[in-house]
Amino acid sequence: DAKTTQPNSMESNEEEPVHLPCNHSTISGTDYIHWYRQLPSQGPEYVIHGLTSNVNNRMASLAIAEDRKSSTLILHRATLRDAAVYYCILSNAGGTSYGKLTFGQGTILTVHP
Amino acid sequence: DAGVIQSPRHEVTEMGQEVTLRCKPISGHDYLFWYRQTMMRGLELLIYFNNNVPIDDSGMPEDRFSAKMPNASFSTLKIQPSEPRDSAVYFCASGVVPLAANVLTFGAGSRLTVL
Repeated sequence: DAKTTQPNSMESNEEEPVHLPCNHSTISGTDYIHWYRQLPSQGPEYVIHGLTSNVNNRMASLAIAEDRKSSTLILHRATLRDAAVYYCILSNAGGTSYGKLTFGQGTILTVHP
Repeated sequence: DAGVIQSPRHEVTEMGQEVTLRCKPISGHDYLFWYRQTMMRGLELLIYFNNNVPIDDSGMPEDRFSAKMPNASFSTLKIQPSEPRDSAVYFCASGVVPLAANVLTFGAGSRLTVL
């Protein structure tokens, strides 16, 4: 399975934008990029996903590099509720790993008031 | 929709006892996953099912662990006999996986403490 690399931790101030990076240099052409987050004492929750093009939804934006070897999750205005562990995950749309999501260590995001 | 429902939310048991964790996936979801989370190892995928059939159980730590999905609305993860190192939060997740992506909904988790 292709691997991702994320910083262990990041800090932000409330109401400022946050850019969470993820490197995935061994990504294959059929790998989707997913972001999940885990708030304290809760299960992970889906944030966003994409393949090649940038994606936006109500929670965040996903910017994917042209060579797809890296991506950035963008929270446009961080709130205290966004403090969580953010996971960048690759999943393959075919083969024996179809449907499988393998979580790494993620990035711990701290948001300061 | 009530989401993915797990029970019990907390379980404290003694070493050697049998533990059964339960999961009710979201109706219509055809994939179900069991994960385990500890501080040391993070989130580990134990096993996942598609249409009630186990697809990949390579993450199941040993024979003491077993998982079943007798129908589309219910799954169990059983540990027999339990050991202190099995103490963890166990998450169940369900999803519909078209070729486009894997979007999973997780339950609130079952926190297991084995004394």
